[in-house]
Amino acid sequence: ELKVEQNPLFLSMQEGKNYTIYCNYSTTSDRLYWYRQDPGKSLESLFVLLSNGAVKQEGRLMASLDTKARLSTLHITAAVHDLSATYFCAVDLIIQGAQKLVFGQGTRLTINP
Amino acid sequence: EPEVTQTPSHQVTQMGQEVILRCVPISNHLYFYWYRQILGQKVEFLVSFYNNEISEKSEIFDDQFSVERPDGSNFTLKIRSTKLEDSAMYFCASQGLAVTDTQYFGPGTRLTVL
Repeated sequence: ELKVEQNPLFLSMQEGKNYTIYCNYSTTSDRLYWYRQDPGKSLESLFVLLSNGAVKQEGRLMASLDTKARLSTLHITAAVHDLSATYFCAVDLIIQGAQKLVFGQGTRLTINP
Repeated sequence: EPEVTQTPSHQVTQMGQEVILRCVPISNHLYFYWYRQILGQKVEFLVSFYNNEISEKSEIFDDQFSVERPDGSNFTLKIRSTKLEDSAMYFCASQGLAVTDTQYFGPGTRLTVL
């Protein structure tokens, strides 16, 4: 059974600081997805990482994937309050020709002024 | 920009009643999904649907659940006899032409079973 684990689960940080969220998964996969969720809202796609060594950046967020280590990281640079949200990573399984996303528990990020 | 829509946004029902949650996926997408999220917990896969049939379903998706794409645009999730533990946010997602494309999620339906 594919397990996806994120850490930390809760992160409170000051504006302007850097931090990293980690996502470990238990079986081989070349594809990993990061989503953002604001309270009471839906999931917004942030990054799709499709191969080993993939690195993507958007603004203050950068995601990377190491398929050999079964690890993805989401790095936040010089955090700002607007980045406060819950961040989920998800790994996919392709079954019967369709994709099943298995999500981590989420990391609730709070950025304080 | 095209988006996935869901109705209703909030549904309150009595235990044992049937509910139908509706989704309109992005047009020209081929793969459709339902997920649920119990308050404060992670998002869980329920079912995937492709080519007018279920591709995969989770253990949660028992005989009380069914999905349908009745008219080529709507995608519905039916729960025949709701239980208290079915209370959750239900998200529909659609995916384009390739099974590794991004899944786009709808805004969700909050189901409350009393």
